[in-house]
Amino acid sequence: AAGVIQSPRHLIKEKRETATLKCYPIPRHDTVYWYQQGPGQDPQFLISFYEKMQSDKGSIPDRFSAQQFSDYHSELNMSSLELGDSALYFCASSTPSGVTDTQYFGPGTRLTVL
Amino acid sequence: AQKVTQAQTEISVVEKEDVTLDCVYETRDTTYYLFWYKQPPSGELVFLIRRNSFDEQNEISGRYSWNFQKSTSSFNFTITASQVVDSAVYFCALSETPQGGSEKLVFGKGTKLTVNP
Repeated sequence: AAGVIQSPRHLIKEKRETATLKCYPIPRHDTVYWYQQGPGQDPQFLISFYEKMQSDKGSIPDRFSAQQFSDYHSELNMSSLELGDSALYFCASSTPSGVTDTQYFGPGTRLTVL
Repeated sequence: AQKVTQAQTEISVVEKEDVTLDCVYETRDTTYYLFWYKQPPSGELVFLIRRNSFDEQNEISGRYSWNFQKSTSSFNFTITASQVVDSAVYFCALSETPQGGSEKLVFGKGTKLTVNP
């Protein structure tokens, strides 16, 4: 079965640079979530989209922005990168069915900021 | 506010032992969902189970079983006859039925399980 695709899988950036992470949800899934997992930490919710509209926002820095496109893929844009942004970034997708549906996670993008 | 507590930070067992991972949650909502995810050393998050607040029936899937008790706000996970491949970090997570918000997951801190040969 098709899974969530994230690219790139690994990314190395310098401080103050910009990074763009991409997420391709499971086909027919219209809801996308972004999570950040620091080393040894649990995943923390950043932002979510449903039908291309932002549906919720968590502890996402103002330096980060995201959007969902007409084909339902999503991009997380990160500017003025800081050392503390080094983390594993997960995208998850689900399809709303009137009740909470399961979020299936992609393999993650490991961002290292030097 | 939602909160998930996994009191066991690390557990180490020998292969074939049974092991139970504890999860206690807090929520003010009457409708909510509980999940377990597995994160092996390779890093991906693998969905294991979802349970809604109205379904307290325990579930068994192969060597895995889950015990949901609303009275104690617990959703514990047992691995029977553990294997080395079970070594991973296991996360318990909670999602509430949103009132205009999304169904974001709130995770516990995770329990690192090491199964030794």
